[in-house]
Amino acid sequence: QKEVEQDPGPLSVPEGAIVSLNCTYSNSAFQYFMWYRQYSRKGPELLMYTYSSGNKEDGRFTAQVDKSSKYISLFIRDSQPSDSATYLCAMTLTGNQFYFGTGTSLTVIP
Amino acid sequence: GAVVSQHPSRVICKSGTSVKIECRSLDFQATTMFWYRQFPKQSLMLMATSNEGSKATYEQGVEKDKFLINHASLTLSTLTVTSAHPEDSSFYICSASGGAGDTQYFGPGTRLTVL
Repeated sequence: QKEVEQDPGPLSVPEGAIVSLNCTYSNSAFQYFMWYRQYSRKGPELLMYTYSSGNKEDGRFTAQVDKSSKYISLFIRDSQPSDSATYLCAMTLTGNQFYFGTGTSLTVIP
Repeated sequence: GAVVSQHPSRVICKSGTSVKIECRSLDFQATTMFWYRQFPKQSLMLMATSNEGSKATYEQGVEKDKFLINHASLTLSTLTVTSAHPEDSSFYICSASGGAGDTQYFGPGTRLTVL
């Protein structure tokens, strides 16, 4: 079983839609959870960084962590064509070893 | 936010030559740096993890004599692809972390093409 599972998509939504991206994981000891956005031919860009369970909001983005279910989510409100990218989840216990999802490809159609 | 730079952004070289890629943390001290490669439409593949002043830890299947990693300071790590061959053509991305509890900040990547 992989440490982190993420549906690769592709996911296609109309502009303005709410997007929900999810990852599940197997190691209950993970403490730090991240979401990255990667545009084609670019390095991943950190979007959200959360510690332990709970919600974190930043503009149109909301990250949720449910440690009891070993499930994390990223919500994008009022999606824009510029949000079209691959979204990677990642997690770590201590910051020395990180585990990444395979990424979900998102296209927002104008 | 934390910024990581990579140089060069793109390099084309002949088969058999060596190529050096630099990764710098511009506004923080990176105790740990990571090197990844990524093939088109595929996920990141971790190649090695390096801590400042220590030898890099390579992932299984990554040749340490071919991919030389140096992390001589808290702001600079280098990856040297020795005797490059066309199959080494890929997108190489570094990332840096400030230590326990910190996340990874990625560089913009280096596209290597070996002719």
